[in-house]
Amino acid sequence: SQTIHQWPATLVQPVGSPLSLECTVEGTSNPNLYWYRQAAGRGLQLLFYSVGIGQISSEVPQNLSASRPQDRQFILSSKKLLLSDSGFYLCAWSIGPDGEKLFFGSGTQLSVL
Amino acid sequence: TQLLEQSPQFLSIQEGENLTVYCNSSSVFSSLQWYRQEPGEGPVLLVTVVTGGEVKKLKRLTFQFGDARKDSSLHITAAQPGDTGLYLCAGTPNAGGTSYGKLTFGQGTILTVHP
Repeated sequence: SQTIHQWPATLVQPVGSPLSLECTVEGTSNPNLYWYRQAAGRGLQLLFYSVGIGQISSEVPQNLSASRPQDRQFILSSKKLLLSDSGFYLCAWSIGPDGEKLFFGSGTQLSVL
Repeated sequence: TQLLEQSPQFLSIQEGENLTVYCNSSSVFSSLQWYRQEPGEGPVLLVTVVTGGEVKKLKRLTFQFGDARKDSSLHITAAQPGDTGLYLCAGTPNAGGTSYGKLTFGQGTILTVHP
């Protein structure tokens, strides 16, 4: 069966520090991978998605970047965090070009102070 | 951009009551999903509806997709405290071509069921 791992679960970082959140998927090949941000337990905003190694699409302009160095690994990064980067970050995967069903990781609560 | 308006935003009810959550849009979606999320966790998929007018039942939960595929509803019968959580609707845009699973999410409904 497929599983998705996301870490860390919580992170407190000072403004201006770098960020690296990692997500890995097991039990499937060539998944579509996504990074979402959720503010205050409400709706999800798509930040990045990837349909293959090295292929990254950005949905909104921001202070963050994403990379996919391996088929089942997705990384969210920042060189210098802003206060506004605080939030709950979720990694997800789906299969196929019309893969409507998303399977989410358990999320990372990021607090930038 | 296709938007999904979810209502109500908050719902606080007693155990045993019935409730309905609505998800509306002016745009057509090729499919619509409902997710449930608990605090500190990722959303978990409950159901996907793909055909206009489709009704799906999952125990005490009934999901309906509007005939025009622009709206959906989630009805819970005899709510229980275990139903407490954030309910999110999400739609796959009907823009033609492949969507790669990029979903548009509603803002969510926070449901609290009191014992």
